[in-house]
Amino acid sequence: DTGVSQNPRHKITKRGQNVTFRCDPISEHNRLYWYRQTLGQGPEFLTYFQNEAQLEKSRLLSDRFSAERPKGSFSTLEIQRTEQGDSAMYLCASSPHSVRGKDTQYFGPGTRLTVL
Amino acid sequence: GENVEQHPSTLSVQEGDSAVIKCTYSDSASNYFPWYKQELGKRPQLIIDIRSNVGEKKDQRIAVTLNKTAKHFSLHITETQPEDSAVYFCAAHLPRDNNNDMRFGAGTRLTVKP
Repeated sequence: DTGVSQNPRHKITKRGQNVTFRCDPISEHNRLYWYRQTLGQGPEFLTYFQNEAQLEKSRLLSDRFSAERPKGSFSTLEIQRTEQGDSAMYLCASSPHSVRGKDTQYFGPGTRLTVL
Repeated sequence: GENVEQHPSTLSVQEGDSAVIKCTYSDSASNYFPWYKQELGKRPQLIIDIRSNVGEKKDQRIAVTLNKTAKHFSLHITETQPEDSAVYFCAAHLPRDNNNDMRFGAGTRLTVKP
């Protein structure tokens, strides 16, 4: 499968614990995005990388959230001191980037987080 | 930033009928409008997209129209089939240097009754 992959697919944790998710983008894509999706809503943008540089962070991304893409390939999203409101599907997407703006984003299967 | 509204939130049609989902956006500089289909428990899948220099695009039973003046775009599905049942999301991309301003609508749950 050459699409975007995410691990784990499901994560159940207790409030206050830290969790980390991983995203592997499509190999030739240099842009990587993190979104959060709650039931009945569209994806909400959290942050994105171009290669290893984190270019933008949404106001939704509190200081408990941190994302990295150290080598410009896979990315991790960490949530510290999880709260019940963090329960959601965390989606990763990737896209190629060109000056012609071919920026179609392809999504991974998501990591469903449940905070008890 | 961009703001996208999507209507209706739910849509039920009979198999074989057409379905239309409409989205409006706020920033006239948005230039890319993808549509995603998301089945229960699965990832959003791109089904069609349109750029601002195009008014209409068609791919078999699916078409998208864009009205830049009115800042709205629509998804049209003809000859609907039960497997078209899913949640459909529109999105609008506002290009800015080093910013990813892709905003999604809240989604439309389409049910196609056999």
